[in-house]
Amino acid sequence: AQSVTQLDSQVPVFEEAPVELRCNYSSSVSVYLFWYVQYPNQGLQLLLKYLSGSTLVKGINGFEAEFNKSQTSFHLRKPSVHISDTAEYFCAVSDDQAGTALIFGKGTTLSVSS
Amino acid sequence: GAGVSQSPSNKVTEKGKDVELRCDPISGHTALYWYRQRLGQGLEFLIYFQGNSAPDKSGLPSDRFSAERTGESVSTLTIQRTQQEDSAVYLCASSFSGVIDTEAFFGQGTRLTVV
Repeated sequence: AQSVTQLDSQVPVFEEAPVELRCNYSSSVSVYLFWYVQYPNQGLQLLLKYLSGSTLVKGINGFEAEFNKSQTSFHLRKPSVHISDTAEYFCAVSDDQAGTALIFGKGTTLSVSS
Repeated sequence: GAGVSQSPSNKVTEKGKDVELRCDPISGHTALYWYRQRLGQGLEFLIYFQGNSAPDKSGLPSDRFSAERTGESVSTLTIQRTQQEDSAVYLCASSFSGVIDTEAFFGQGTRLTVV
């Protein structure tokens, strides 16, 4: 069964600094990878996804992630964060095209301060 | 509605009581999912409905948990004889077709506390 590891439970950064949130998954023949974001007092929303094709995926709000098959990673990056990026970020993986088996990591809390 | 709606937003119940959690998906979405998020944990898949197909119940943790969905609308998650370990945020999500490349939209969850 798939599993997802988010290596950092909390990441504090200053505004305008770059950030990387790490995500590793257990190996599988083919995987579909997602990052979801949960802003304070809001529901989860999709940030970006990798299904196939280019390994560099761009999402909303200036975030991007790179699929690295050899390292089984899907790290999320942003070159310059804003206060408004403060949220919890969840990495998710599925190896089932029917969408039933989205497996989520424990989440990383990104705290951006001025 | 404009988004996935869950009710109640908070529920405190005594150990041993039954609880019902409700989810109103986005209109027209055929797929509906339930997840559980315990404190400090990731989202744990519980159950999945897709149209008129038999639901995927593979994530339900015990026979105390059950869920129903009326057609392609409201879903109810029922937990019988609640235990303290059932305390968690229960999240509902819906998507247009359930195929992996369609986005799942999440509700804000029901925070269940069993005392």
